[in-house]
Amino acid sequence: EAGVAQSPRYKIIEKRQSVAFWCNPISGHATLYWYQQILGQGPKLLIQFQNNGVVDDSQLPKDRFSAERLKGVDSTLKIQPAKLEDSAVYLCASSSLRADEQFFGPGTRLTVL
Amino acid sequence: GQNIDQPTEMTATEGAIVQINCTYQTSGFNGLFWYQQHAGEAPTFLSYNVLDGLEEKGRFSSFLSRSKGYSYLLLKELQMKDSASYLCAVRADTGRRALTFGSGTRLQVQP
Repeated sequence: EAGVAQSPRYKIIEKRQSVAFWCNPISGHATLYWYQQILGQGPKLLIQFQNNGVVDDSQLPKDRFSAERLKGVDSTLKIQPAKLEDSAVYLCASSSLRADEQFFGPGTRLTVL
Repeated sequence: GQNIDQPTEMTATEGAIVQINCTYQTSGFNGLFWYQQHAGEAPTFLSYNVLDGLEEKGRFSSFLSRSKGYSYLLLKELQMKDSASYLCAVRADTGRRALTFGSGTRLQVQP
């Protein structure tokens, strides 16, 4: 089966610019997660969707970050405006309702200059 | 709150055994996960423990003690390709299902 797809793989922007990331989860996976991984740290959850509803966005900086999963499949994560401290790898993961394992995509490496 | 501690770095020799420890303090507990992450790549699932005891899967084993808030990942017959970061993660709530990760242990396997 195809894995979690993410694009772009790399993005370089200047601070105060906007950026968007896209994720396509494994087919049939109801739950989708966005994590932020800063260099040298473990992934930190930003937002969790189940189908097209938000389960947890308590750690999402809502003044600049937004995410949607309109049809319960693909998802986009947006940062507007970006700050230097947003430089990180943004990982998308998905899981089925029955399984415990989360499958991660390759991530998008964002550099904010 | 959630707090997960694991050593930052470890070094071991090819063919040897290494144990990577993880301690956690979380407001709830519904499973402990270990993931492997090679540099520049996505984390990949290694193991899952929800009950006390040892889970063995090939060269990798994972142990959990819920009363002590403690887990370890045991890697046997180390190979050079095992050089990677090993992430300990806790799921606090079955409803949320999201994971809280430690900072990871970077393992360097030497010849």
